[in-house]
Amino acid sequence: GENVEQHPSTLSVQEGDSAVIKCTYSDSASNYFPWYKQELGKGPQLIIDIRSNVGEKKDQRIAVTLNKTAKHFSLHITETQPEDSAVYFCAASIYSGYSTLTFGKGTMLLVSP
Amino acid sequence: DAGVTQSPTHLIKTRGQQVTLRCSPKSGHDTVSWYQQALGQGPQFIFQYYEEEERQRGNFPDRFSGHQFPNYSSELNVNALLLGDSALYLCASTERLSDTQYFGPGTRLTVL
Repeated sequence: GENVEQHPSTLSVQEGDSAVIKCTYSDSASNYFPWYKQELGKGPQLIIDIRSNVGEKKDQRIAVTLNKTAKHFSLHITETQPEDSAVYFCAASIYSGYSTLTFGKGTMLLVSP
Repeated sequence: DAGVTQSPTHLIKTRGQQVTLRCSPKSGHDTVSWYQQALGQGPQFIFQYYEEEERQRGNFPDRFSGHQFPNYSSELNVNALLLGDSALYLCASTERLSDTQYFGPGTRLTVL
C-alpha cells in the first residue's frame, strides 16, 4: 500500500520567515495530494491540495509543488504569522471515482513573534 | 451550512466495553470515511461508507465496524475495547465523485 514520509517533524521559524515542509510517497499511481492544518483539540482543516496533472498551486501565502518523477511534494508558507502555528499533515491518495487518504506523521510548525 | 459534526466530543470507557461514535456529513455529501488518530501521529484510515455499504477498509480488526444510514450519517462501533484503542476518531465526508475530504472535530476516546 501507499506510504507517505513527512519531514521535518518540527519546524521553528521567526514571524515573517518562510516555512517549507516536504513529503514523499511510494505509490506512483497516487494522483491527489492534500495538505491539512490541525490546531490543538480540532479536526484537520484542508488548506490546499494539488492533483497530478498540475506541478504547482498557490493560494495567497500558501503554495504546493509536486514532482511526480521524484514522487515528492512540498508545502511552502511565506510571511509566516503566529496564527500559522499548528500541526501540518500531508496526504496522498489514488482517486478512481473515490479515494482514501494515507497521511504523513505531521510537522509541528512554531512561529515565534 | 454546517460542516461535519461528530458526537460525543469526549468519551471514557473501560477495557472490554463497547462504544458507538456518530457522524453527520456536510450537506450534499454522501460518502463518509472514518480515521483513527493516535497521539502524535497522522490519521489512519479505518473504512469508508457509500450508499449504506462499506466500500473500502483499512488495516483494522473486525472489532471495528460501521454503519451508514439513508440520510448519509454514519456510526463507528468498536467492540471489546483495548487500551490501544485510545485515540481521536475522525469522520470525513466527501461529495459524490469528488476526492476532497472534509473532517469533523473528532471524538476523543479514552480507554482505561
